[in-house]
Amino acid sequence: EVQLVQSGAEVKKPGESLKISCKGSGYSFTSYWIGWVRQMPGKGLEWMGIIYPGDSDTRYSPSFQGQVTISADKSISTAYLQWSSLKASDTAMYYCARPPARPYDAFDIWGQGTMVTVSS
Amino acid sequence: QSALTQPASVSGSPGQSITISCTGTSSDVGGYNYVSWYQQHPGKAPKLMIYEVSNRPSGVSNRFSGSKSGNTASLTISGLQAEDEADYYCSSYTSSSTSVVFGGGTKLTVL
Repeated sequence: EVQLVQSGAEVKKPGESLKISCKGSGYSFTSYWIGWVRQMPGKGLEWMGIIYPGDSDTRYSPSFQGQVTISADKSISTAYLQWSSLKASDTAMYYCARPPARPYDAFDIWGQGTMVTVSS
Repeated sequence: QSALTQPASVSGSPGQSITISCTGTSSDVGGYNYVSWYQQHPGKAPKLMIYEVSNRPSGVSNRFSGSKSGNTASLTISGLQAEDEADYYCSSYTSSSTSVVFGGGTKLTVL
């Protein structure tokens, strides 16, 4: 079964760093793009960016470029989303998701989500 | 980049049909056949319902259909059922930023 399993909920303070993860299983991890989607409390979905673990080719939405870093470790089939200095406005649910082929295809496989809460 | 425009809410009675619109520009919805629709129940991850304007993934009911005319895409749900009550989001590739943009979401209420 193809699955994306995300790391658990996080509670952090403003200014702290954070790296959340998304582990793929049931398929060739290096052959598919993995993207990240933000959903702020009570709000809609926002496409953040996407990475191809095979060669680490990474694309960002202009809204998130420079705000987060997307990476992957193909040796452990895991993609990451990281912040160097969190803000209260980063409080949101973050989903990883996989398109079937091209980087801008629809996401047909989704992780369960990681809730990030940033509060002093 | 601007989100695609969806109505905030729609409603219908069981058995009826409803349509949710998703309006963009020639740089996204109107220019490419990469429009998708997702269903999201409260507290759950989104689920893909339609991809490439009108294609249904395996396992999605044929009560769900998608179409596009100009810069507006549409999701139609026929034979409404109680379990269809959820939030629905459209998305599209956008050449203006070489990324993907989502709509603001539409809350479907089954009366």
